[in-house]
Amino acid sequence: AQTVTQSQPEMSVQEAETVTLSCTYDTSENNYYLFWYKQPPSRQMILVIRQEAYKQQNATENRFSVNFQKAAKSFSLKISDSQLGDTAMYFCAFMKHAGNNNDMRFGAGTRLTVKP
Amino acid sequence: GAGVSQSPSNKVTEKGKDVELRCDPISGHTALYWYRQRLGQGLEFLIYFQGNSAPDKSGLPSDRFSAERTGESVSTLTIQRTQQEDSAVYLCASSLFASSYNEQFFGPGTRLTVL
Repeated sequence: AQTVTQSQPEMSVQEAETVTLSCTYDTSENNYYLFWYKQPPSRQMILVIRQEAYKQQNATENRFSVNFQKAAKSFSLKISDSQLGDTAMYFCAFMKHAGNNNDMRFGAGTRLTVKP
Repeated sequence: GAGVSQSPSNKVTEKGKDVELRCDPISGHTALYWYRQRLGQGLEFLIYFQGNSAPDKSGLPSDRFSAERTGESVSTLTIQRTQQEDSAVYLCASSLFASSYNEQFFGPGTRLTVL
């Protein structure tokens, strides 16, 4: 079974600075996807960034980038130039590379607060 | 519609009562998913539909939970004889197809409180 661990329940960062959220996972699969989702107080989950395990290059989306270490089973999220609107819960998630994508596993989340 | 919608937004019920939670997926999305999010925890997969059929019901926590989907559109999650441990946010998501390649788009959830 796959498990996803986020070891930082809460983090804070000053506006305009950089913060890194940690995520580790455990799997015997070789092909899979990893995701970071953002959940603001509105509760709506928003996909931030996605990484395919077979791609060595780290994914980037504007101010968001990941450090994917496949051997270490680590998938951290870096947020640069933090903005007040980045305040939210952040969830790391894992999905097998299979025809049916029902098997998405989530970590417990990290609550990020961006301070002015 | 423009996005996934869920109703009601909040539901308070008494222990032992039945509740129905509704999800309207994005128009044209053939796959639909239900998740449960307990306070302070990540999402827990419950069930998914490809079209109107549910190939995988393994995530449903007990036989008090059931779900159906009609017309490859609206889905209803029913919880019978609710218990206090059923209190959670129930999130629905949809995607173009039930495939690893397709992004899941989430609704705002229904917060269920069982007294």
